[in-house]
Amino acid sequence: KAGVTQTPRYLIKTRGQQVTLSCSPISGHRSVSWYQQTPGQGLQFLFEYFSETQRNKGNFPGRFSGRQFSNSRSEMNVSTLELGDSALYLCASNGGTTDTQYFGPGTRLTVL
Amino acid sequence: AQSVTQPDIHITVSEGASLELRCNYSYGATPYLFWYVQSPGQGLQLLLKYFSGDTLVQGIKGFEAEFKRSQSSFNLRKPSVHWSDAAEYFCAVVGTSGTYKYIFGTGTRLKVLA
Repeated sequence: KAGVTQTPRYLIKTRGQQVTLSCSPISGHRSVSWYQQTPGQGLQFLFEYFSETQRNKGNFPGRFSGRQFSNSRSEMNVSTLELGDSALYLCASNGGTTDTQYFGPGTRLTVL
Repeated sequence: AQSVTQPDIHITVSEGASLELRCNYSYGATPYLFWYVQSPGQGLQLLLKYFSGDTLVQGIKGFEAEFKRSQSSFNLRKPSVHWSDAAEYFCAVVGTSGTYKYIFGTGTRLKVLA
């Protein structure tokens, strides 16, 4: 089975712009979670989608949003980018509830 | 509230030496437990997991972890460290009921001396 894929791998944006990141889960997995990783804050949970519905949400402002499509692919969007949004954004998929999460390689976002 | 603590932010060991990375969790029942490893700029790779049964679990790359319910711990061990093991290691738990949200520790960065 192919692993979790994330596109793009690297992205450079300027403050105020918006960005969309994409994640394709492992075939058959219906749950996709997103995490933000920074040196200062570590790994922080953004949200989880399961069967096109947001099931869990972390403590991030409304500028961060996501969605999941019927084929389980997910996108996350960040509007009005701030310098502090520079981070590695990781996507993880699993088959359901307490199943194992498998991570993609991440998207490195740099905000200038 | 669920939480995961990795008390050691950095650990340095010599190549060939043994390794133990600590992980303590707080949860009302026995959660599912995981160890992941991350190389710089990469995603997280699953090393091993504990769901139930034998409290000593074997993982990839020669790692093992022991679940100790009485100590709420799930420490990761390796008998002989290789230079390629230098990376960051994360412990994680997920509750077995409720929101099923993964909680990650803050990570332990391992440095291996030649």
